Amino acid sequence: QSALTQPASVSGSPGQSITISCTGTSSDVGSYDLISWYQHHPGKAPKLMIYEVSNRPSGVSNRFSGSKSGNTASLTISGLQAEDEADYYCCSYAGSSTLVVFGGGTKLTVL
Amino acid sequence: QVQLQESGPGLVKPSQTLSLTCTVSGGSISSGGYYWNWIRQHPGKGLEWIGYIYYSGSTYYNPTLKSRVTISVDTSKNQFSLKLSSVTAADTAVYYCARQKTYGGNFDYWGQGTLVTVSS
Repeated sequence: QSALTQPASVSGSPGQSITISCTGTSSDVGSYDLISWYQHHPGKAPKLMIYEVSNRPSGVSNRFSGSKSGNTASLTISGLQAEDEADYYCCSYAGSSTLVVFGGGTKLTVL
Repeated sequence: QVQLQESGPGLVKPSQTLSLTCTVSGGSISSGGYYWNWIRQHPGKGLEWIGYIYYSGSTYYNPTLKSRVTISVDTSKNQFSLKLSSVTAADTAVYYCARQKTYGGNFDYWGQGTLVTVSS
């Protein structure tokens, strides 16, 4: 069982918006803003999409946005495109002992 | 553009040691400031952080794996390596190497991953 809880799957039609949640605890998501999100197409290298809760790396579409409230972080993808179909993972700093924890991943299907 | 590539045996026998290497191109491990990590994904499951080596050579491991993990670096080859001892079927996973820009921060570059199966 992963440390952070994500829905197993979400889906949406092209052009729509979807949100993926990532629920942790006061020991990780709730205490730090070191939250990141990764897009993973099977067989390829995971790609950083959001870092430090809401920042986008250079080259990542502004259709991707991140936020956090309490112990839950969220990734929102607006204007869904077929190429967005992938697995998405959240990640959080969890203190100096555990260091980093991940979510179980969410499979996004673009209908 | 930094690139990472994992390499190593795809099949390891139970009780043996799993050994993987990550070759970094497009940047020097010894140039400083980065943490070089190993992360794995069990079949059908989420990601699990294994540990890192800092460019200076200092390491830190996931407490749940600490007794079996060693991460080392060879700056002359621009590579870092993972050794996981006493493996069992539970160690079957896709193993990724990844670069981390800051302590506890995001992983900005990843390898494509390599599947390691533990089986006799």
